Amino acid sequence: ELKVEQNPLFLSMQEGKNYTIYCNYSTTSARLYWYRQDPGKSLESLFVLLSNGAVKQEGRLMASLDTKARLSTLHITAAVHDLSATYFCAVDQGRSGSRLTFGEGTQLTVNP
Amino acid sequence: GAGVSQTPSNKVTEKGKYVELRCDPISGHTALYWYRQSLGQGPEFLIYFQGTGAADDSGLPNDRFFAVRPEGSVSTLKIQRTERGDSAVYLCASSLNAANTGELFFGEGSRLTVL
Repeated sequence: ELKVEQNPLFLSMQEGKNYTIYCNYSTTSARLYWYRQDPGKSLESLFVLLSNGAVKQEGRLMASLDTKARLSTLHITAAVHDLSATYFCAVDQGRSGSRLTFGEGTQLTVNP
Repeated sequence: GAGVSQTPSNKVTEKGKYVELRCDPISGHTALYWYRQSLGQGPEFLIYFQGTGAADDSGLPNDRFFAVRPEGSVSTLKIQRTERGDSAVYLCASSLNAANTGELFFGEGSRLTVL
C-alpha cells in the first residue's frame, strides 16, 4: 500500500521567514503533485513534478522532487499572510489513470 | 463550463436515506474522479472513469456506493442506506485524459452530513 507522509502537519511562522514542508512516499516511481486548500474550499493545483530532479517555482513557493530519496519538498520564501492555507502533496504511481494518494496535509499559518 | 461543477454544495440527510451527488467536469476532459475528504484529512480516492466506463472502482468503501457516467461527461455518485460515517466532503475532479500529466482539477465539493 502506498504511503504518503507530510511533515510538519502544523506550521506557524512569521511573515518574512523561510520554511520547508517535506513529503515522503513509499513507492519507487511516482509523479508528485502539490495542492493548496483554503478553508471550506476545494483543492488548487500548485505544482506537477514528473521526473527526478524536477524543480518548479511560482512566486514564493518552490517545489522539488527526488525520486531516489522518495522525497519532495515545498519551500516557502519570505512568507506572507496570503500563503496561509493547508498544503497537500499527492503521489501518483504512474499507472493508467491518476489515482492520487494524498498526504495528511500541512496546515500553514503565517502571522503578521 | 470553466471549471468542475458539483451539486448540491451541501446535503443534509437522515441515516438510511438515499443520496445522489452530481459532477459536471471541465468540457473536453475524458477522465473523471471521485474522492472523499473527511475533516482534517487528505482526500481519499473512490473511483475513476475514463469515458463512460469505471476504470478503477477499488476505492469505493462498500456496495452501498455506486457511480455512473452514462454519456462520458456528467457523473453521479450514489449512496444507498446512508450511515453517519458517510459524512464527508465528496470531491469530483477531472483531467484531460489519464495519460496526460495527471494533473487533476477539482470541484468545490459536495458536503454530505448524515444525521
